[in-house]
Amino acid sequence: GAVVSQHPSWVICKSGTSVKIECRSLDFQATTMFWYRQFPKQSLMLMATSNEGSKATYEQGVEKDKFLINHASLTLSTLTVTSAHPEDSSFYICSARDYGAGNTIYFGEGSWLTVV
Amino acid sequence: LAKTTQPISMDSYEGQEVNITCSHNNIATNDYITWYQQFPSQGPRFIIQGYKTKVTNEVASLFIPADRKSSTLSLPRVSLSDTAVYYCLVGPRGVDDKIIFGKGTRLHILP
Repeated sequence: GAVVSQHPSWVICKSGTSVKIECRSLDFQATTMFWYRQFPKQSLMLMATSNEGSKATYEQGVEKDKFLINHASLTLSTLTVTSAHPEDSSFYICSARDYGAGNTIYFGEGSWLTVV
Repeated sequence: LAKTTQPISMDSYEGQEVNITCSHNNIATNDYITWYQQFPSQGPRFIIQGYKTKVTNEVASLFIPADRKSSTLSLPRVSLSDTAVYYCLVGPRGVDDKIIFGKGTRLHILP
């Protein structure tokens, strides 16, 4: 199946700093990518839809100024957690649709963020 | 987006066939049914997708009745490594169509 890669797999940052997570579609182009957040033992929560060349669409309750999303190219979307606080610690997962595979959505490996 | 209902958890034994049923009473005409598997600290992995009747691949089968208001994921001869959370997702497949996750089913395979 198609491959979606995230980097870093895990990151620890100090409270008040910003951290960037990258999401790449390795073997297909993705005009749209999606970012999720997941807490332990819970389901994935959609944060935003990332659109190449335009602004992201955020779900209700998600702070767009805290979670900056940039979709710089057809294969790369980034999520920047700004002024991170311990409550932002979570597992972040991205996904993208593959046109060539019946528009199936594939997910990245996920990125653990710990804010200390 | 169609709401889905799955059992919260299931237990089974190695070598058994496991069937997980998902209810989606308000499925729309252009909605597809997709199942994902997720292990702890990993992103969901695509298992199978279908629109109607039966779909089979190398890892699972998906049974969809004519009214499409439910679907059943069938895992043949499970092993311990099949212990995971399984999500049933229903929605259109347009480029911008988002996927909303339900609570999923925690499948625990016992030796």
